[in-house]
Formats: sequence, C-alpha cells, structure tokens
Amino acid sequence: DQQVKQNSPSLSVQEGRISILNCDYTNSMFDYFLWYKKYPAEGPTFLISISSIKDKNEDGRFTVFLNKSAKHLSLHIVPSQPGDSAVYFCAASARVHGGSNYKLTFGKGTLLTVNP
Amino acid sequence: DSGVTQTPKHLITATGQRVTLRCSPRSGDLSVYWYQQSLDQGLQFLIQYYNGEERAKGNILERFSAQQFPDLHSELNLSSLELGDSALYFCASAPQGLSYEQYFGPGTRLTVT
Repeated sequence: DQQVKQNSPSLSVQEGRISILNCDYTNSMFDYFLWYKKYPAEGPTFLISISSIKDKNEDGRFTVFLNKSAKHLSLHIVPSQPGDSAVYFCAASARVHGGSNYKLTFGKGTLLTVNP
Repeated sequence: DSGVTQTPKHLITATGQRVTLRCSPRSGDLSVYWYQQSLDQGLQFLIQYYNGEERAKGNILERFSAQQFPDLHSELNLSSLELGDSALYFCASAPQGLSYEQYFGPGTRLTVT
C-alpha cells in the first residue's frame, strides 16, 4: 500500500517557466511533508518542508503548497533552471514512538528535465 | 556535501555472502536512518537508531541487521544475500528536535551476482 504517491514519473519544462510537481498521500497522521532533490550518483538533498498546519511555504524559487482536505501537495519552481534537472522525491513524516523521532515515507520520484 | 559519509561506495558480491555497510552521521546528529532504493522503487525505510538504540523498524528483512556504536557511526549488515538485494543503500542522519529533516549520505551501490 503506497501511502505517498507521485503519479508523474517525469516532467519536462522550458527554462524560465514554472515547474509543478505533484504528490498525493493517504495517511492523515502525517505531520510534516518534505521535498528532496536527487542527482545521479548522489544522495537525496533536502529542499523544503511544510508543516501539516500550514498551507504554503516559500524558499526562494521553491514553494510548497499543501491541501489537507485533498491530501495533496505540490512543489512549484519558478523560474525553472537547467540545474534544477533532477529526480524530486516527495516525503511525508510521522512520529515514531512519540518524542522527536520521525519516520519518512517517500514517493517513487518524478524526473524533472528543464530544457535550455 | 551533506556531512554524512558512507563506505564503501560500490560493493559487488555473490549470492549467499554477507556484507557490512558503514555510515558516519553529521557531527552532532544522534539519529541514523537506513534506506533501500531498488529499481522502480522509491526509498524504502529500513531501520532507525537514536543514540545507540533501535527506535523504529520499517521493511527490513530478517537477514538484515544494523547497529549504532558509541561514536554514533552505524553499520548495516546484510547476510545470505540474494540477487534481489541489489540496490542503493542510503544512510541519513537528523538533528535532535528536527528529525523529520534528514540529511542523506551518497549511498552504497550493492550488486549481488
């Protein structure tokens, strides 16, 4: 049972335009949502997160939107740059055994290609 | 560079063998997480350690085990290896109090032949 789904395996956009990556989840106990970016031969890199009590978080060119009622989040990259080409993973976090320990559940990723 | 180191970078071994993957977390991080990424799969959580103690288990096979040492480095032991164990294995560490933000190492690519 996939609790975090990224339904688009790939996305191609032109440099300077907006990239929108989507993610759906099923578990209403998730309390933080994160986006990671991964280049080939490297580990995932934390990009941006959002608490379940918020609906938007911005960091420079990256904005994450959360729609709790729809159990949907999206990552907007504006403007897109060729260096943004990578696999983007959506992840959702739930507390483990109380305290400050969290377990992340990842989607399968979306390959973003930004064309010059 | 996330500050998390993993060795070795690549490992090729035969079915039935046993291997040990090593991870050193970022300075100051007490939590270590292990993940497996197979072809066509996202990152699958295997196990978490916090300050030497096992805290959570995910989809970890009984043939796999892990430990975290007093200096906080961690090892993932994979035994009786099968072809299907070929995958990328990532270690991540997290700061205390913000452990939903995990920082990943470069991974170990395991190939079982």
